[in-house]
Amino acid sequence: GIQVEQSPPDLILQEGANSTLRCNFSDSVNNLQWFHQNPWGQLINLFYIPSGTKQNGRLSATTVATERYSLLYISSSQTTDSGVYFCAVVERGNSGGSNYKLTFGKGTLLTVNP
Amino acid sequence: ETGVTQTPRHLVMGMTNKKSLKCEQHLGHNAMYWYKQSAKKPLELMFVYNFKEQTENNSVPSRFSPECPNSSHLFLHLHTLQPEDSALYLCASSQDSTSGRWGANVLTFGAGSRLTVL
Repeated sequence: GIQVEQSPPDLILQEGANSTLRCNFSDSVNNLQWFHQNPWGQLINLFYIPSGTKQNGRLSATTVATERYSLLYISSSQTTDSGVYFCAVVERGNSGGSNYKLTFGKGTLLTVNP
Repeated sequence: ETGVTQTPRHLVMGMTNKKSLKCEQHLGHNAMYWYKQSAKKPLELMFVYNFKEQTENNSVPSRFSPECPNSSHLFLHLHTLQPEDSALYLCASSQDSTSGRWGANVLTFGAGSRLTVL
């Protein structure tokens, strides 16, 4: 299966700082999603971005599919941005049929201090 | 509230107990998933159901038994679990797990069921 590597594994910021999270993947992918998991475990879909750039408020994401990486930018970070950020890529399932599945990286744990 | 509801949110059980986790989605999706999240490990896909049919079993031990009576409901039946099965179990749904078309496999997750096996 596809390998998904995220960096850095941990990141500590002061409120108001900017950051860039990276996701590398080992093969061509059908699409890519970024998620935020809050401290209570809820995973929220941030972006669905197989290629190009998207922006949503203080967050933006860029995927360069030909070079097999994606970046998540957080600007003017807030304490509520704390949590784990996951990158996940879509690949064919193990069953050999037409099933697709999401494969997750290990995540980046972001802590934003006031 | 994301449109995917999981119950219970917390569960503590002994190794000889039998319990079930429930997931319900109100999004009109046709695919449902169980993921396991253990400490320090990536999310692991366990099962996929598409239009009520199981399409993926990721070598999950038989002590975990899924059930999907319809496209809106998914259960995970648990029996004779081990302490290493303690984890956060996440349910998700998408429009269609077999379609590669744009957006069909965008996942929406529930809040999870945190399981502790004593």
